[in-house]
Amino acid sequence: DVVMTQSPLSLPVTLGQPASISCRSSQSLVDTDGNTYLNWFQQRPGQSPRRLIYKVSDRDSGVPDRFSGSGSGSDFTLKISRVEAEDVGVYYCMQGAHWPYTFGQGTKVEIK
Amino acid sequence: EVHLVESGGGLVQPGGSLRLSCAASGFIFSDYWMIWIRQAPGGGLEWVATIKQDGSVKNYVDSVKGRFSISRDNAKNSQYLQMNSLRAEDTAIYYCATTTRGAPFDYWGQGALVTVSS
Repeated sequence: DVVMTQSPLSLPVTLGQPASISCRSSQSLVDTDGNTYLNWFQQRPGQSPRRLIYKVSDRDSGVPDRFSGSGSGSDFTLKISRVEAEDVGVYYCMQGAHWPYTFGQGTKVEIK
Repeated sequence: EVHLVESGGGLVQPGGSLRLSCAASGFIFSDYWMIWIRQAPGGGLEWVATIKQDGSVKNYVDSVKGRFSISRDNAKNSQYLQMNSLRAEDTAIYYCATTTRGAPFDYWGQGALVTVSS
């Protein structure tokens, strides 16, 4: 199975400041169709996960533009340009290129 | 508006069985793959099973193969997860979800808690 490794696992941030989460996969996430299937999810406390980003950098409907994804091959990053209070929660990367699809361990974002 | 509502969770003894249901609304159910994802206590997320639009293709994570069975009824806009030979390590919140890998379509239910314990 593809192993997804996130860092850091805990990220204290100051409101209004940027934040960045790294995700690395144990193998390339480029599928046979040429697309790279790397997603980012947000899970707020007490809620179900919600996808923010698909195919590395495409934002899902309703996702604020302060969230952005980048990367290629097996190295990816989620950036929050200016953290807001509602961004507190756990963020997961997930690969959708090789079955079984797998998640990273999660990065807990909290306000300092 | 898309809604996915799980039911059927609960407490079951090791070796027992449970059937989860998921009622879908707000989208053309028969056009989309459906998914079960679980989240164990402490947070880890794991894809459990997926089923193609017409039910002809089913995928399972190795840890549930031979014990769990995914199915769907497009006439009832519902999917199911039959869980047999349950183990303590199957204890988790089970989410019903649907997604499209390459388009902005991804929805999750609120989850159903399954606890396997004697």
